[in-house]
Amino acid sequence: AQSVTQLGSHVSVSEGALVLLRCNYSSSVPPYLFWYVQYPNQGLQLLLKYTSAATLVKGINGFEAEFKKSETSFHLTKPSAHMSDAAEYFCAVRLGDSNYQLIWGAGTKLIIKP
Amino acid sequence: DVKVTQSSRYLVKRTGEKVFLECVQDMDHENMFWYRQDPGLGLRLIYFSYDVKMKEKGDIPEGYSVSREKKERFSLILESASTNQTSMYLCASRRGGRYEQYFGPGTRLTVT
Repeated sequence: AQSVTQLGSHVSVSEGALVLLRCNYSSSVPPYLFWYVQYPNQGLQLLLKYTSAATLVKGINGFEAEFKKSETSFHLTKPSAHMSDAAEYFCAVRLGDSNYQLIWGAGTKLIIKP
Repeated sequence: DVKVTQSSRYLVKRTGEKVFLECVQDMDHENMFWYRQDPGLGLRLIYFSYDVKMKEKGDIPEGYSVSREKKERFSLILESASTNQTSMYLCASRRGGRYEQYFGPGTRLTVT
């Protein structure tokens, strides 16, 4: 069965430090992968997506993610954390060859220490 | 920009009440979704609609129904609200042929 695993329900980094949020997936078909961000009491906003083009994907707010097929990973990174990056981040993968559904990770809360 | 709006940000209802949550999108998207979000569980799909008057059950449809009479509007109905339906409800829409979904701001529903 397909699944998405986000390692760490909470990740804490200092302001200015590297942000690394981990996402591993299992998929029986070539995956389409997404990262979304949710700020407190808001809906989800698309950060970036991988749809079988370049393996390094750049998104909004300085985030990027690298698709590694051999590791079945799609980790999210940002070189220097800002206080405004504090939010919950969700990884998602297309469900099989479904035209509609995404499988969601449980989310990782990013905490930024001053 | 895609805009998805939800009728209420916060809602408090009593057990047994019928509850309507409304979602409207302004980008002529074919597909619409209702999720609930609970801490530690991520997003769970309740229902989705791939076209007007068409709907399919998601992972947790029990206790919910939906209606899509117009392309831009997708309603979630709790026939008889229960305390275990206290949650954040998120609506999303998607253009046919694309995979990314666009979300509304969410409705935080409390059932007492």
